[in-house]
Amino acid sequence: QIQLVQSGPELKKPGESVKISCKASGYTFTDYAMHWVKQAPGKGLKWMGWINTYTGKPTYADDFKGRFVFSLEASASTANLQISNLKNEDTATYFCARWTDPYWYFDFWGPGTMVTVSS
Amino acid sequence: DVLMTQTPVSLPVSLGGQVSISCRSSQSLVHSDGNTYLHWYLQKPGQSPQLLIYRVSNRFSGVPDRFSGSGSGTDFTLKISRVEPEDLGVYYCLQSTHFPYTFGAGTKLELK
Repeated sequence: QIQLVQSGPELKKPGESVKISCKASGYTFTDYAMHWVKQAPGKGLKWMGWINTYTGKPTYADDFKGRFVFSLEASASTANLQISNLKNEDTATYFCARWTDPYWYFDFWGPGTMVTVSS
Repeated sequence: DVLMTQTPVSLPVSLGGQVSISCRSSQSLVHSDGNTYLHWYLQKPGQSPQLLIYRVSNRFSGVPDRFSGSGSGTDFTLKISRVEPEDLGVYYCLQSTHFPYTFGAGTKLELK
């Protein structure tokens, strides 16, 4: 069955970096794009961007340009999100979500990775 | 960015009842290919969102027919009939017609 398994919670200090992984199984990884969605505590969902799992090309929403990097370990069917120079406002749960063409929706989601930034 | 306005913010319901959630977009969600990419998700407490309805009115695999979606252009509605305990949580609409993709702020369905 299709699964997206994300790495565990992280506690970081401001200015540090974090890398979150999303390992896919149950389907051909390179056939579906992977998107990332942020959810701050008690808040709604915000789309961050996506990575083409075939070419490795990332696309970022404007609010996530600069400190955020999407990458792949395609041989391991894994997508990664790295956030550098962490700020308090990066405290959130980060979800990876599989994108389905041609219907353009997210059909499977990871369980989320909680990142807490605190001094 | 396309602003997605969901109402109400909170929706008290009795089990077995029927409810409607509205989602309005700041611009038309009809894509140049003629399709409308408006979808509905439910996020239960402590879980990731799950897809209910895609492209306005299509139920995703395994979603009961108590859930129905309708609308066009900028005005969309999710209806839930015969509400069951597992329907409780926060409902989000998502538009994927225009970059950046945007979600509504959510509607919390809770027991009266």
